[in-house]
Amino acid sequence: NAGVTQTPKFQVLKTGQSMTLQCAQDMNHNSMYWYRQDPGMGLRLIYYSASEGTTDKGEVPNGYNVSRLNKREFSLRLESAAPSQTSVYFCASSQPGLPTGELFFGEGSRLTVL
Amino acid sequence: AQSVTQPDIHITVSEGASLELRCNYSYGATPYLFWYVQSPGQGLQLLLKYFSGDTLVQGIKGFEAEFKRSQSSFNLRKPSVHWSDAAEYFCAVGARSNDYKLSFGAGTTVTVRA
Repeated sequence: NAGVTQTPKFQVLKTGQSMTLQCAQDMNHNSMYWYRQDPGMGLRLIYYSASEGTTDKGEVPNGYNVSRLNKREFSLRLESAAPSQTSVYFCASSQPGLPTGELFFGEGSRLTVL
Repeated sequence: AQSVTQPDIHITVSEGASLELRCNYSYGATPYLFWYVQSPGQGLQLLLKYFSGDTLVQGIKGFEAEFKRSQSSFNLRKPSVHWSDAAEYFCAVGARSNDYKLSFGAGTTVTVRA
C-alpha cells in the first residue's frame, strides 16, 4: 500500500522556469491538499480539492495552479518559478467526515529556485 | 479563523526524561486536534488525534495528549523519551465548518541528548 506518492523528490529550477509536481493517492480519499513547509512557519496550505472536480485556494495560492486530474491525482504547477517558492512541498489526502479525518502525507518534494 | 500556536521552537531533553510540548489553538467551536511528527527528510506521521469524548488521548510511540477546553490547549506528553524521538512535532487544528482543512503550528524541534 503506497499511500501518497509525490514526484519528483528533488528539483532545481532557474527563475522563470515552470514545473509540475505530481501527487497520487491509492486510498480512495475524496480530498487532496498541497502544503508548503518553510522553516519557522510550519505547513501552509496552498490549494486543496475537497472532491474530484473541485479546487479551492488555501492560505498561500499566489504563483501556483492545481489540477485534480481524477480522484487519485492532484498536481501542483509553478508557471514561472521565483526564489520565494524555494520550499518543501507536501501533498496530502484525507477522507473528511469519517472518524479519522486525518491527513496522510507524501514524503515531500524539495524544490530550489535559483 | 482557526489558528495554532506552538510556543516552544526548540526543546532539548535528556534520554529517559519526560517531555511536554505545548499547543494552543484558537477556534470558536469544538475543534479537531492532531499531533504529527516529522523525522528528518521524511513526511509527517500522525501521532494522535482528538475529536470528542475522553480528553486524554493515547497515541503511537508512547505519546499522549490532553485536551483542555478551558485553556484552549492540547499539550503532547511522553513519560520517558528515547533517542529516536528526536524530530519536529506539529500541532494542527481542523473543523467541520472549514471543510476539515488543517491549520498547522510552526512546529517544535526536539533534540534528545544522551
